[in-house]
Amino acid sequence: QKEVEQNSGPLSVPEGAIASLNCTYSDRGSQSFFWYRQYSGKSPELIMSIYSNGDKEDGRFTAQLNKASQYVSLLIRDSQPSDSATYLCAVNRRRGTPLVFGKGTRLSVIA
Amino acid sequence: DGGITQSPKYLFRKEGQNVTLSCEQNLNHDAMYWYRQDPGQGLRLIYYSQIVNDFQKGDIAEGYSVSREKKESFPLTVTSAQKNPTAFYLCASSTRGTGGYEQYFGPGTRLTVT
Repeated sequence: QKEVEQNSGPLSVPEGAIASLNCTYSDRGSQSFFWYRQYSGKSPELIMSIYSNGDKEDGRFTAQLNKASQYVSLLIRDSQPSDSATYLCAVNRRRGTPLVFGKGTRLSVIA
Repeated sequence: DGGITQSPKYLFRKEGQNVTLSCEQNLNHDAMYWYRQDPGQGLRLIYYSQIVNDFQKGDIAEGYSVSREKKESFPLTVTSAQKNPTAFYLCASSTRGTGGYEQYFGPGTRLTVT
C-alpha cells in the first residue's frame, strides 16, 4: 500500500462549483497534513495545513481531517479557472521526518 | 524579502559531467530538503538535512551528493553516476510550525542532460 494516495484525475468541475480532492494515508501515527497547489512548470505552494480532526477553513478552501479513517480532503468553494492546477497531499509521519507526498490530483475548472 | 532561491532556473549539461545546483534560504529554517520531480512520478526525496553539518539520504540518493556547511545553504551535486539526471529539482526548507513542519519550496531548477 502506498503511503499517501490520491486520485490522479483529472478532476473537472464547472466554474463556481465545489471541487473535492481526497487523500488517504497508511501510517496511523501521522501527525500533520498539508495541501500544496502546483501550477504547471512551477514549484508547489503550501495552501493549507491541518493537525487535528475536523474542518479548517481559509477563504474558499476547507481542509478536512479524519484520523480514524486515515483520510484528509480539500474542498474548494466557488471554483475558478485560476484554481486549475495539480494539488498535492503531504503527510508528516513523525516530528523531525520529511513530508511524504502523494502524486497529486490534477484539477481542471471549466469556464 | 524572505524566501528560498534556487539557481540557475534552467541548466544544460553533457552526459558524464557533474553539476551542482544551488539552494539558499533566508528564512532561518533549520531543515532543508532536495526533491526530484518527473512527469507522473510526484515528488521523490533525494537528501535532507535537519541541522548544519548533518544530512540523511532520502529515497533516491544514489548518484547525488550534498553538503550543509551553512544553515542558509544546501547545494546538491548531480554526479555522472546518476543514470537519468534530467528532471525538475526542487529545494525546500521547513520550520517547526504549530504542530508540524510546514515545508516551503524554492522555484526549482530544470536540469537537462544530453
